[in-house]
Amino acid sequence: QLQLQVSGPGLVKPSETLSLSCTVSGDSISSTSYYWGWIRQPPGKGLEWIGSIYSSGSTSYNPSLKSRVTISVDTSKKHFSLKLSSVTAADTAVYYCARLPRGFGAALHFDYWSQGTLVTVSS
Amino acid sequence: DIVMTQSPDSLAVSLGERATINCKSSQSVLYSYTNKNYLAWYQQKAGQPPKLLFYWASTRESGVPDRFSGSGSGTDFTLTISSLQAEDVAVYYCQQYYSTPPTFGQGTKVEIK
Repeated sequence: QLQLQVSGPGLVKPSETLSLSCTVSGDSISSTSYYWGWIRQPPGKGLEWIGSIYSSGSTSYNPSLKSRVTISVDTSKKHFSLKLSSVTAADTAVYYCARLPRGFGAALHFDYWSQGTLVTVSS
Repeated sequence: DIVMTQSPDSLAVSLGERATINCKSSQSVLYSYTNKNYLAWYQQKAGQPPKLLFYWASTRESGVPDRFSGSGSGTDFTLTISSLQAEDVAVYYCQQYYSTPPTFGQGTKVEIK
């Protein structure tokens, strides 16, 4: 049974870097059948894709966040990570990690999601 | 970016009645090479992560009750709950994965009348 677990600080100061990690259990993060991604949801609002990574390390980012986002994968430690720099209050959101099946050479839908973690940006 | 627009924003349906949610994309999400619609539906209950209901617009995820159905092609899609149950109270989202960035509709809140 696949499980995704997000960990990281729940409070980040403005202008600092938000760092989260997603630990994968019950599946291999090195699998060539899946991508791994981050999605966020501001309180009371909709869903925004942040970016995704393949086991090879190939990444894809939302253009709206690309200048501030880095996603990396550590296959030996079975986790992938998100770093979002220069945060503001607008980055306050529930952050999710998720798995995306790979099909026809591309990332598809989000089939498994972690429980969300609320990250608040405040001094 | 492909803009996904859902309608209505909310709806209240009596138990056992039909609920219908529409999703329109700003451009077609039907990929001619694969002849598949790159469209998914999710259910999000309060305090929980989204749960995948359908992918390829109409392929039901394992474990999803058959009172849920997904249909449509091109730019117009529908999620139908044939007989609303109390446990179906949630916000429902459509999402396109035809192009990067993948984008979601604004969500439709389903409540009991």
